[in-house]
Amino acid sequence: EAGVAQSPRYKIIEKRQSVAFWCNPISGHATLYWYQQILGQGPKLLIQFQNNGVVDDSQLPKDRFSAERLKGVDSTLKIQPAKLEDSAVYLCASSLSGLNSPLHFGNGTRLTVT
Amino acid sequence: SQELEQSPQSLIVQEGKNLTINCTSSKTLYGLYWYKQKYGEGLIFLMMLQKGGEEKSHEKITAKLDEKKQQSSLHITASQPSHAGIYLCGADLIQGAQKLVFGQGTRLTINP
Repeated sequence: EAGVAQSPRYKIIEKRQSVAFWCNPISGHATLYWYQQILGQGPKLLIQFQNNGVVDDSQLPKDRFSAERLKGVDSTLKIQPAKLEDSAVYLCASSLSGLNSPLHFGNGTRLTVT
Repeated sequence: SQELEQSPQSLIVQEGKNLTINCTSSKTLYGLYWYKQKYGEGLIFLMMLQKGGEEKSHEKITAKLDEKKQQSSLHITASQPSHAGIYLCGADLIQGAQKLVFGQGTRLTINP
């Protein structure tokens, strides 16, 4: 089966600019996640979707970050305006609904804010 | 403080040697997952443990869950260069939430 697809792979922007990341989950996976991984740390959950509804966005900095999952399939994550501390890898993951379903991750988008 | 603590943070071993990575939770574990990450890539799912005392193996990698200690260990036997990378444990800390909290990772280097 095809894995989780993310684009772009790399992005370099200046602070205060905006950026958007795209994710296409594994077909049939109802749950989609966006994680932020800062260099040297483990991934941190930003937002979790179940179909096209938000389950948990408690750690999403809502003053600058937004995410949507229209039609319950693809998702976009946007940052506007970006700050230096947003430099990180943004990982998208998806899973089947139901307890103890492992998350499957894409290769991530590496964002550098200068 | 971290909800999931991994130890050691980095590990350098000679090819062919055995090694163990530990993951300890400050909260009740409702599911424990091990992933491997290579630089610049996403996380690759290795194994999932659900019940206390459960042990799973895949090739030369074995993972165990000690529910009482809220701890899991990942053991690699006869390490190979292909085992090099970052190992991450992730856990369900809220029953039914189906979202993972991750440790900070253990960077494994295999010397030939």
